[in-house]
Amino acid sequence: SQTIHQWPATLVQPVGSPLSLECTVEGTSNPNLYWYRQAAGRGLQLLFYSVGIGQISSEVPQNLSASRPQDRQFILSSKKLLLSDSGFYLCASHLGGLRNTEAFFGQGTRLTVV
Amino acid sequence: AQSVTQLDSHVSVSEGTPVLLRCNYSSSYSPSLFWYVQHPNKGLQLLLKYTSAATLVKGINGFEAEFKKSETSFHLTKPSAHMSDAAEYFCVVCPTSNYGGATNKLIFGTGTLLAVQP
Repeated sequence: SQTIHQWPATLVQPVGSPLSLECTVEGTSNPNLYWYRQAAGRGLQLLFYSVGIGQISSEVPQNLSASRPQDRQFILSSKKLLLSDSGFYLCASHLGGLRNTEAFFGQGTRLTVV
Repeated sequence: AQSVTQLDSHVSVSEGTPVLLRCNYSSSYSPSLFWYVQHPNKGLQLLLKYTSAATLVKGINGFEAEFKKSETSFHLTKPSAHMSDAAEYFCVVCPTSNYGGATNKLIFGTGTLLAVQP
């Protein structure tokens, strides 16, 4: 099965500072990769997904961006954080198409923007 | 458009009583469906999945769910709740394309917070 490594686990950043969250996947190749945000008391909001290297789809307009420099690496970034960027961020990996399986999740990053 | 609706944001049960967490979906074709559990400040753990095989799916920790196409539902049940079941539960749909493979999106419900009273 797949293992998703996500770091850091917690992060406190001042408003206006940059952000870089990294996610790497073990145990598979060519997965679909996802970034979700979970705000307090809400479900998971899909931010970005990627079906391959350099291919990024954005679900919502926002202050964040994503990149996939390698097959099993997915990075979430921001140039200038806003207070509203606070939340719990989850990276997920999923084999789509005819290989359809369940999604595997990282342990999440708790981001607090102060 | 594909979507998933969890009908209850909060469910409270007594220990030892049955659990029912409701989920309805909307999808053009028969989707894959999943239930995940999330304990506080943790990642998500798969409870069970439906991927067009048996409609009654058994998962971990005594949970099961039944896929009912006529009702577009995939409700999660457990005969007897345990204190350790207190967590947030997410129903997830992965729509299938017209060639039968999964699409590239995982769509989450808004979650149901399950409280178990002693």
